[in-house]
Amino acid sequence: DTAVSQTPKYLVTQMGNDKSIKCEQNLGHDTMYWYKQDSKKFLKIMFSYNNKELIINETVPNRFSPKSPDKAHLNLHINSLELGDSAVYFCASTEGGVDGYTFGSGTRLTVV
Amino acid sequence: DQQVKQNSPSLSVQEGRISILNCDYTNSMFDYFLWYKKYPAEGPTFLISISSIKDKNEDGRFTVFLNKSAKHLSLHIVPSQPGDSAVYFCAATTSGTYKYIFGTGTRLKVLA
Repeated sequence: DTAVSQTPKYLVTQMGNDKSIKCEQNLGHDTMYWYKQDSKKFLKIMFSYNNKELIINETVPNRFSPKSPDKAHLNLHINSLELGDSAVYFCASTEGGVDGYTFGSGTRLTVV
Repeated sequence: DQQVKQNSPSLSVQEGRISILNCDYTNSMFDYFLWYKKYPAEGPTFLISISSIKDKNEDGRFTVFLNKSAKHLSLHIVPSQPGDSAVYFCAATTSGTYKYIFGTGTRLKVLA
C-alpha cells in the first residue's frame, strides 16, 4: 500500500507543452507539498496545501499551478514547459506541526 | 540564499566503521531538524529528528548531534553497513511555518 503515490514516474515532453503530475496520499494527512529537485540536487519547496487551502507559494513562475480537489490529492499543472523545468518533482505529505514528511517516489520530468 | 548546507557532496566509509555526515545552517529561527535518507529512484524517507531543546538524539545505529551555538548538526552511523549507502539530506524548520528547508545532500558509500 503506497502511502504517497505520484503519477507518472517519468515524463518526457516538448517545450511549450502543458502537462500535469498527480499526487495522492492515503495517510489521512492534512498538509501536502510539491518540492522540486533540480540538477544541483537542491530540494526546493514550491507549494503547500493544508486541507485544500494554499498555505505556501514560493517564488514559482505562474506557469505552475497546483490544484487540491480534496485533502488527499495535490496535482501540479505546468503550462508552456521550458527546458529549465526539467527536474525531479516530489510530492510529500505531513500530519502537520514539525512531523517529518512522507515523500512520493518522484516524477522525473524531461523537457526537450 | 541557502540556509541549510551540506558541504560534503560525498563520503566513503568502510563497513563497520563510523560514518559522520555534517550539516550547517544559518537561520537561528530553525528549531527542529531532520535527516532523510534517499535511495535512487525513490523519494526521501525520514530517518531521525532532533528538537533545538536537545543536543543529542539516538535511534539504534543512528545518532544526531546538534550544536546550536555553531549552527551545526551531524549524523553518526555506527557501525556503517553497505545498506546505508544512499544520499542523506538534512532539513530544518521553524515551528509553525509548515515548511522544511533541505540541504543538497551527501552521498554515502559504505564499502564492504
